[in-house]
Amino acid sequence: AQRVTQPEKLLSVFKGAPVELKCNYSYSGSPELFWYVQYSRQRLQLLLRHISRESIKGFTADLNKGETSFHLKKPFAQEEDSAMYYCALRSTGNQFYFGTGTSLTVIP
Amino acid sequence: GAGVSQSPSNKVTEKGKDVELRCDPISGHTALYWYRQSLGQGLEFLIYFQGNSAPDKSGLPSDRFSAERTGGSVSTLTIQRTQQEDSAVYLCASSVGIGPYNEQFFGPGTRLTVL
Repeated sequence: AQRVTQPEKLLSVFKGAPVELKCNYSYSGSPELFWYVQYSRQRLQLLLRHISRESIKGFTADLNKGETSFHLKKPFAQEEDSAMYYCALRSTGNQFYFGTGTSLTVIP
Repeated sequence: GAGVSQSPSNKVTEKGKDVELRCDPISGHTALYWYRQSLGQGLEFLIYFQGNSAPDKSGLPSDRFSAERTGGSVSTLTIQRTQQEDSAVYLCASSVGIGPYNEQFFGPGTRLTVL
């Protein structure tokens, strides 16, 4: 069965420190993975998708099929990165499966 | 232009009553999704519509839940005989089409409380 796991509910880092938000998935097919972000009092929005191999706001994520992971990384955290982050998987049937989210706090 | 809108923003109801939640997608978006977010949980896929195709209802948790999309635009999620476990934030999203390059745009959600 499809499953997305985000093991950390809460994560705090100091400004300027590296940050890594973990995401592991379980899926029998070829996965399509995404990171979504929700800033305080804003709507959920797409941050990045693995197929685009993009860097958004300094964040990157690499799909590791061997470890079934899609961790989100940023070398130098900023205060404005404080938000709720969700990892999501899209199935071939176009259903989306979301993790439970990680609340990131960047300490000034 | 306007984003995805949902109404009401908050709904408090009594156990056993029926509720209707409305979603207005972005104009021109052919795909529309409903999700449920319960306290401490991630987003749970409920249903999605794509154009004129039959909706994918595989995520609906019980037959008390139903949804329709009229004219390929506005969608209504109906919960019959509400239960306390239905209390959650219900999110709607729309996208131009389906596929990994089609970004979902989310609405602000409807917070449902069943007393």
